[in-house]
Amino acid sequence: KNQVEQSPQSLIILEGKNCTLQCNYTVSPFSNLRWYKQDTGRGPVSLTIMTFSENTKSNGRYTATLDADTKQSSLHITASQLSDSASYICVVSVIARGSQGNLIFGKGTKLSVKP
Amino acid sequence: NAGVTQTPKFQVLKTGQSMTLQCAQDMNHEYMSWYRQDPGMGLRLIHYSVGAGITDQGEVPNGYNVSRSTTEDFPLRLLSAAPSQTSVYFCASKKAGGPGGELFFGEGSRLTVL
Repeated sequence: KNQVEQSPQSLIILEGKNCTLQCNYTVSPFSNLRWYKQDTGRGPVSLTIMTFSENTKSNGRYTATLDADTKQSSLHITASQLSDSASYICVVSVIARGSQGNLIFGKGTKLSVKP
Repeated sequence: NAGVTQTPKFQVLKTGQSMTLQCAQDMNHEYMSWYRQDPGMGLRLIHYSVGAGITDQGEVPNGYNVSRSTTEDFPLRLLSAAPSQTSVYFCASKKAGGPGGELFFGEGSRLTVL
């Protein structure tokens, strides 16, 4: 079964520190990997989309990496801000469609940035 | 640019009642979908549509109906609400079906069934 596992489940860091969130997937055939940010009470918002051939992509202070061989991705947040407090969701797209559709969602990592 | 608009934002129902969650997008996207988000679980696909007049079931379709009479609108109907349908519902759209393309989400509709 196609699955996306994220770690840690939750994380608390101090403002200004860096952090890295992990995403492992067992999805085939792979099309692309996405990271979303979801603020409390809001809908998810796209941060990055990476295809098989891309191993790194940045969006401001957010940098996503992808290792398609080991089926792992990470999201690195630099110089964290209070506004980074949110859930971060890893989503993997498959080429073949099943009942889950093309998008397989992880459960998310809840990040809290403290002053 | 409004993007994806969901109404209502909050709703309380009694068991057995029916209701419709509205979703509209103004980006001329062919693909629209409904997800539910429950604590400790990832977003789960309920129904989706790849164009007007075309709908299909997702992972958790039971108890829900959809229709797609226009490109812009994709309402989700709860036929006879049950407490298990207490959840946050998200509508999302992208330009076309298939694995590519950025997915845009609405702000969510929080439903409580008593």
